[in-house]
Amino acid sequence: DIQLTQSPSFLSASVGDRVTITCRASQGISSYLAWYQQKPGKTPKLLIYAASTLQSGVPSRFSGSGSGTEFTLTISSLQPEDFATYYCQQLKTYPLTFGPGTKVDI
Amino acid sequence: QVQLQESGPGLVKPSETLSLTCTVSGGSMSSYYWTWIRQPPGKGLEWIGNIYYSGGTNYNPSLKSRVTISVDTSKNHFSLRLNSVTAADTAVYYCAKRESSGYHHYWGQGTLVTVSS
Repeated sequence: DIQLTQSPSFLSASVGDRVTITCRASQGISSYLAWYQQKPGKTPKLLIYAASTLQSGVPSRFSGSGSGTEFTLTISSLQPEDFATYYCQQLKTYPLTFGPGTKVDI
Repeated sequence: QVQLQESGPGLVKPSETLSLTCTVSGGSMSSYYWTWIRQPPGKGLEWIGNIYYSGGTNYNPSLKSRVTISVDTSKNHFSLRLNSVTAADTAVYYCAKRESSGYHHYWGQGTLVTVSS
């Protein structure tokens, strides 16, 4: 199985901050990576797919980059509604796997 | 726009079988993969498996011996069966559609299944 690790696991930030979350894969996955945002009690929301493609309707302050084994999700200017947990997911190989999550809090 | 809705019992006894259905509306099931994902309370996401509209399946090896996913395109739904459940199977279960992009753009709202006697 391809293992995904995320760093940091917890991030304390303020409104307006630039935030970067890293996802590392245990083996190369090309660009087969997605990023999700999940708020408490809510369904995960797709933000980025194919490592860097912004899902329709997602604000442009979100961006993704990387390929191979290292990927980043960047929020250019954190907004109050961005406080949530963020997950990466690889879709290169079965079984599809998720990272453990990064909680972004105040 | 496609919508997905999970349904099934919210409480299952240990050693019994968990059965859920995901009803798809607003689009055809043809030519897509349909996925089950779960999330134990306070924990991360786990991919359970998926099924192609024509019936081919892929399962998480950690669950493969206990899980069956089936599809009925005539009824616009697909289903999950997980047998011999334990408390560790307590989770919110989500269904999702894997789009032609290869990614899960659409998810159901999720349904909490508790395993308890």
